[in-house]
Amino acid sequence: GESVGLHLPTLSVQEGDNSIINCAYSNSASDYFIWYKQESGKGPQFIIDIRSNMDKRQGQRVTVLLNKTVKHLSLQIAATQPGDSAVYFCAENNRIKAAGNKLTFGGGTRVLVKP
Amino acid sequence: DAMVIQNPRYQVTQFGKPVTLSCSQTLNHNVMYWYQQKSSQAPKLLFHYYDKDFNNEADTPDNFQSRRPNTSFCFLDIRSPGLGDAAMYLCATSSFFTDRSYEQYFGPGTRLTVT
Repeated sequence: GESVGLHLPTLSVQEGDNSIINCAYSNSASDYFIWYKQESGKGPQFIIDIRSNMDKRQGQRVTVLLNKTVKHLSLQIAATQPGDSAVYFCAENNRIKAAGNKLTFGGGTRVLVKP
Repeated sequence: DAMVIQNPRYQVTQFGKPVTLSCSQTLNHNVMYWYQQKSSQAPKLLFHYYDKDFNNEADTPDNFQSRRPNTSFCFLDIRSPGLGDAAMYLCATSSFFTDRSYEQYFGPGTRLTVT
């Protein structure tokens, strides 16, 4: 469902530590799951995706884990840097017949990196 | 290189005065989306175009309309803006004819203020 709230959950992390951001999704038929990063005043930026038939995918400093049993998605950021400070959204993709794809975003998490 | 361009970046309009936001893309993607994002919330899909076919979300108010005169451009029209329509409006594109059809490219957004 849509996130309704005035305050985003915040994760404060020390520079150099690892960050873990969690997300629950709703539709077991979703074919891809994507993490987006959104910096203040900017549009969401693609970070990494995972197909529904996988349980782990690694990128540069980021790892996404998918647990379909409990409909849970997580993003791990290794050696968090000041430039990682942003709001992170998970999104699930579904195909729409004769109309392309549709993303449904989960609630975001704000990551604050402390120097 | 700008890929999804939104103009203006900031728009102030008066209560009830029609306003148009514009989006253009250099990616030649066949799908274009409009999202509304309120403060500290996730982007919410308003509608999207699959080629020339318009797909409205069930809960998008009639006050919101869209036009897509060609592949590159898409407009969001708000016929009678209310105070509750103040938000960031995000345009995104995707190509259905690639292996990564689920990946959406977002513009920087237009922040709308209603006075």
